[in-house]
Amino acid sequence: NAGVTQTPKFQVLKTGQSMTLQCAQDMNHEYMSWYRQDPGMGLRLIHYSVGAGITDQGEVPNGYNVSRSTTEDFPLRLLSAAPSQTSVYFCASSYRGGNTEAFFGQGTRLTVV
Amino acid sequence: GQSLEQPSEVTAVEGAIVQINCTYQTSGFYGLSWYQQHDGGAPTFLSYNALDGLEETGRFSSFLSRSDSYGYLLLQELQMKDSASYFCAVPPNAGNNRKLIWGLGTSLAVNP
Repeated sequence: NAGVTQTPKFQVLKTGQSMTLQCAQDMNHEYMSWYRQDPGMGLRLIHYSVGAGITDQGEVPNGYNVSRSTTEDFPLRLLSAAPSQTSVYFCASSYRGGNTEAFFGQGTRLTVV
Repeated sequence: GQSLEQPSEVTAVEGAIVQINCTYQTSGFYGLSWYQQHDGGAPTFLSYNALDGLEETGRFSSFLSRSDSYGYLLLQELQMKDSASYFCAVPPNAGNNRKLIWGLGTSLAVNP
């Protein structure tokens, strides 16, 4: 059981560069989301999706884009990296969101210099 | 607005019992979840309460009082491996009951 597969594990970017964080789940979950986690800030929702073709913004969407062309994949794009985007990013999926059990990817530690 | 409050740190010894509290403020209520996160790891689901009372799962139990907008996670027979951060999370309101907002987490240190 792969669960939620998130890549890469680590990434260093220069300011202004763009990149895509990949996330795939094999549980046929409807709901997928991206969080960032900063020290002392808990988990903050960036974007989420309730199904293929449907995405919406979370608490901190600026500087990030998402798309959901298939049920399985939910990539997160950083358009022009800034030092403020240095963080740990988690992708998660669950059957229908809310309080249904969320399964998380292993996380991506991103440093923007 | 919507918010959750939980203590930032708790310390206990092996074999003891510890309670981690969470108070929430939301528009409507759609359940309270708890997650565990070890350092450097991903959050993992522990429990979910939709109704008042205690839900028990092995050494861990979770309690909810909707009238007090309050819940807690109870960890019994503490082990060193329970050292981790614990997060409570709730959907923010009726229009957004598929999202979750998260507390800032409680760091639990279990000492020998």
